[in-house]
Amino acid sequence: AQSVSQHNHHVILSEAASLELGCNYSYGGTVNLFWYVQYPGQHLQLLLKYFSGDPLVKGIKGFEAEFIKSKFSFNLRKPSVQWSDTAEYFCAVNARGNAGNMLTFGGGTRLMVKP
Amino acid sequence: NAGVTQTPKFRILKIGQSMTLQCTQDMNHNYMYWYRQDPGMGLKLIYYSVGAGITDKGEVPNGYNVSRSTTEDFPLRLELAAPSQTSVYFCASNDPSTRIHEQYFGPGTRLTVT
Repeated sequence: AQSVSQHNHHVILSEAASLELGCNYSYGGTVNLFWYVQYPGQHLQLLLKYFSGDPLVKGIKGFEAEFIKSKFSFNLRKPSVQWSDTAEYFCAVNARGNAGNMLTFGGGTRLMVKP
Repeated sequence: NAGVTQTPKFRILKIGQSMTLQCTQDMNHNYMYWYRQDPGMGLKLIYYSVGAGITDKGEVPNGYNVSRSTTEDFPLRLELAAPSQTSVYFCASNDPSTRIHEQYFGPGTRLTVT
């Protein structure tokens, strides 16, 4: 069974600081990778995804993530955060070809950006 | 399209009571899912369905039941509520014909069992 680890549970940054949130997964096969964001009081929304091709993927709101297969990692980055990025971020993995297209989620990282 | 809708938004139950969390999607997605979200634990899959009449257990199914009589609806039933079921519940759906397998989430139901 696959698992997903997000090592930072809480991150506090000032506006304009750079962001990197770690995500590692354990699964020996081919995967699809996702970052979801949950703004306060809202439901999960897709931030970006990796399916194949260029391992550096760009998402909405200036976020990007890099898939490093050898490290089983899919870290999320943003060069300059804004107060509006305050949210909880979830990394998720979908084992390619699993019967129900099921996602396995990490525990989440709660980001607070101070104005 | 409304996407994925869930009712109710909030509910307080007493131990031993039962209730049904409703989930409806209007995107004609075959695949639907129920998750629970607990602080620091991410989302855990309770049940999922790959089409009307087909359901299967996820990671944490104990204490829950589901049914899928139509493509649109995927209700989650709690028969004997326990404090351990205090959580936020999210329903999601997915179109397996797409390559990316993105799941679309509802707004959630916050359930407290006391």
